[in-house]
Amino acid sequence: EVVLTQSPGTLSLSPGERATLSCRASQSIRSNYLAWYQQKLGQAPRLLIYGASSRATGIPDRFSVSGSGTDFTLTISRLEPEDFAVYYCQQYAASPFTFGPGTKVDI
Amino acid sequence: QLQLQESGPGLVKPSETLSLNCTVSGGSITSPSFFWGWIRQPPGKGPEWIGSMIYSGNTYYNPSLQSRVTISVDTSKNQFSLKLSSVTATDTAVYYCASSPRGTWTFNWGQGTLVTVSS
Repeated sequence: EVVLTQSPGTLSLSPGERATLSCRASQSIRSNYLAWYQQKLGQAPRLLIYGASSRATGIPDRFSVSGSGTDFTLTISRLEPEDFAVYYCQQYAASPFTFGPGTKVDI
Repeated sequence: QLQLQESGPGLVKPSETLSLNCTVSGGSITSPSFFWGWIRQPPGKGPEWIGSMIYSGNTYYNPSLQSRVTISVDTSKNQFSLKLSSVTATDTAVYYCASSPRGTWTFNWGQGTLVTVSS
């Protein structure tokens, strides 16, 4: 099973700042089969980005990803008030599909 | 656009079977373009994939739960269901149904339903 570790656990920032979230895998993830989700309090996670750089429908371009192998990064270029949430990474290169423990982005 | 809605009891007794349904709207459950699955999220923790299936019958389960899980489809109701047997308190979680476009195991989620295991 691929174990995902996310850091930091909590990221305290202000609107307009840049957020950099890390996701590290216990083994190499082929073909960048990694996805990122955003979850706001009381809501279901929402797919943001998958694969090398594919944004889900309606996701603004201030969200971007980079990395390969075992180390991946989600960057939010300029935080908007609606971006304060918990972010999860998920690998879908190998079953069982696994999620990280999340990074909370708060003010 | 596909929408998914979970339904079922919010309280299950230990050792009993948890049963949930997911109603699909905006598309057919017999579509070969989607997998249908279940994910759970214990309070304060990250999500855990339970399993998925495609209408043709192929099912894929998380090995950690495989011995207790059954996912099935009811085409007459455009629904799919989850059964998890012999539950304990550690099965308390928000349970989500989700769709995955065939070819990628990413998930689009229902709104979720909290299931508590307690006597």
